[in-house]
Amino acid sequence: GAVVSQHPSRVICKSGTSVKIECRSLDFQATTMFWYRQFPKQSLMLMATSNEGSKATYEQGVEKDKFLINHASLTLSTLTVTSAHPEDSSFYICSARDPGTGNIQYFGAGTRLSVL
Amino acid sequence: KQEVTQIPAALSVPEGENLVLNCSFTDSAIYNLQWFRQDPGKGLTSLLLIQSSQREQTSGRLNASLDKSSGRSTLYIAASQPGDSATYLCAVAETSGSRLTFGEGTQLTVNP
Repeated sequence: GAVVSQHPSRVICKSGTSVKIECRSLDFQATTMFWYRQFPKQSLMLMATSNEGSKATYEQGVEKDKFLINHASLTLSTLTVTSAHPEDSSFYICSARDPGTGNIQYFGAGTRLSVL
Repeated sequence: KQEVTQIPAALSVPEGENLVLNCSFTDSAIYNLQWFRQDPGKGLTSLLLIQSSQREQTSGRLNASLDKSSGRSTLYIAASQPGDSATYLCAVAETSGSRLTFGEGTQLTVNP
């Protein structure tokens, strides 16, 4: 199947710093990528839909100024957690939609963010 | 608003047992349903995808069924092994390529 690479896999940062997470589709072009968040022992909750060349669509309750999404190319979307605080500590997972396989979503391996 | 529920939340079985995981969804107007496996601290591995027009899909020891009208899906695992221990998530898509709505998962432990 298609491959989605997510980097970094783990990041530890101090409160107040910004963290960027990258999501790349390695062997297909993805006009749409999704960003999910997962708290311990809970399911994945969609944060936003990232659209190449246009603004991201955020889910209700997700602060767009705090979670900046940039989808500047057909293979790369980035999520920047600005001024991170301990409550932002979570597992972030991206997925990319592959139009070549009927729009199946392929998932990255996730990023564990720990804010001290 | 689509809601997905998985029962049981946790399951512990001895090795070799056959088992069934359940998933239900409130809005039957789905495009497809997918079962994933997630190991602790890891991303998602897609196991089976069932289109809304299909009744079941099989891959090795795994069989997933879909009853769209009643809003239910089951994942059957035959001859379970310790390596099957993981959290199993089901998710539905309401249109082609749309967002996925996930259940909260079933944490499976297969004891040697």
